[in-house]
Amino acid sequence: KAGVTQTPRYLIKTRGQQVTLSCSPISGHRSVSWYQQTPGQGLQFLFEYFSETQRNKGNFPGRFSGRQFSNSRSEMNVSTLELGDSALYLCASSPRGLGEQFFGPGTRLTVL
Amino acid sequence: QKEVEQNSGPLSVPEGAIASLNCTYSDRGSQSFFWYRQYSGKSPELIMFIYSNGDKEDGRFTAQLNKASQYVSLLIRDSQPSDSATYLCAVFNAGGTSYGKLTFGQGTILTVHP
Repeated sequence: KAGVTQTPRYLIKTRGQQVTLSCSPISGHRSVSWYQQTPGQGLQFLFEYFSETQRNKGNFPGRFSGRQFSNSRSEMNVSTLELGDSALYLCASSPRGLGEQFFGPGTRLTVL
Repeated sequence: QKEVEQNSGPLSVPEGAIASLNCTYSDRGSQSFFWYRQYSGKSPELIMFIYSNGDKEDGRFTAQLNKASQYVSLLIRDSQPSDSATYLCAVFNAGGTSYGKLTFGQGTILTVHP
């Protein structure tokens, strides 16, 4: 089975812009979670989608949003980018979303 | 108090030694516990999970869980330089729902030197 894929792998944006990141889960996995990883804060949970519905959300501002499509592919969007949004954004898929996560390679976002 | 706490290290052990990685969690209702390994520049990968009190062994890895003490550990026997990575402890709590929440610790950096 192919693993989780994320596009793009690297992204450079400027403050105030918006960005959309894409994730394709492992075939058959219906749960997709997004995480932000930074050296200072570690791996922080953004949100989880299951069958096109957001089931869980972390403590991030409303500038961070996401969605899931009927084929389980997911996108996350960050509007009005801030310097502090520079991070590695990881997508993970799971058959049911009960702890066992399979991570994609991540998207490295740099905000200038 | 952080929900999941790990000693950030770095933990340095000689090749062939036992590396012991520890994790404590604050929510007594937590149900399952995971260890992920993350090599530098790579994404995390699951190496072990444990649900019940006691030990669970998989090759050179042993996960230990003590729910009364809210403590999880990972032992790596016969440590190899290829084990050098950041080890993330993650705790799952369903919270009465059908989906729950997975919370990660900050990770412990392990270095195995030849």
